[in-house]
Amino acid sequence: DTEVTQTPKHLVMGMTNKKSLKCEQHMGHRAMYWYKQKAKKPPELMFVYSYEKLSINESVPSRFSPECPNSSLLNLHLHALQPEDSALYLCASSRLLQGAEETQYFGPGTRLLVL
Amino acid sequence: TQLLEQSPQFLSIQEGENLTVYCNSSSVFSSLQWYRQEPGEGPVLLVTVVTGGEVKKLKRLTFQFGDARKDSSLHITAAQPGDTGLYLCAGGQGAQKLVFGQGTRLTINP
Repeated sequence: DTEVTQTPKHLVMGMTNKKSLKCEQHMGHRAMYWYKQKAKKPPELMFVYSYEKLSINESVPSRFSPECPNSSLLNLHLHALQPEDSALYLCASSRLLQGAEETQYFGPGTRLLVL
Repeated sequence: TQLLEQSPQFLSIQEGENLTVYCNSSSVFSSLQWYRQEPGEGPVLLVTVVTGGEVKKLKRLTFQFGDARKDSSLHITAAQPGDTGLYLCAGGQGAQKLVFGQGTRLTINP
């Protein structure tokens, strides 16, 4: 099973709302990722968790707050977003080993619209 | 900054034709992944190549990793409308970071 699941699939929120995106995998992967993808562009890395600890933060604004409650779950808490934050948010996971294990498996994404 | 130059950016061909997509870099990658993405969906892994000169086949798709592990190609034989999508290459250099190409938007016309 190489499935990463994400909820919700679609989300519309106002600039004053607080919402959360959720991601889950049961492949035993110990690295989990959040990406942001704008239309017609490749995914851009936001955060990486390795063994449930934040290992990479690509200078993401604090209105995005990641959380990794356990090795299978990854959340992204959203607060006071701007319209330009509207995008497809992708979660991914990988085994956290060298070589072929760098392969990242992506979820279906959450399409976020900020009004 | 490591870059993966992917070409062509857009390709529209007729059903039954063959095509090749390229990813090139001046950097060495320890692995290279190819993904296909449909609009509004996440990228779906097609293949990972890790050994210089490696060739992998997935039905009508043939993937090759360059001998120096700086470039890769995806060849599709007898393209079908179901092959339509965005194809992304992504190079791994360790530390959980992937370098993505800009993508090739492929359209197969019936």
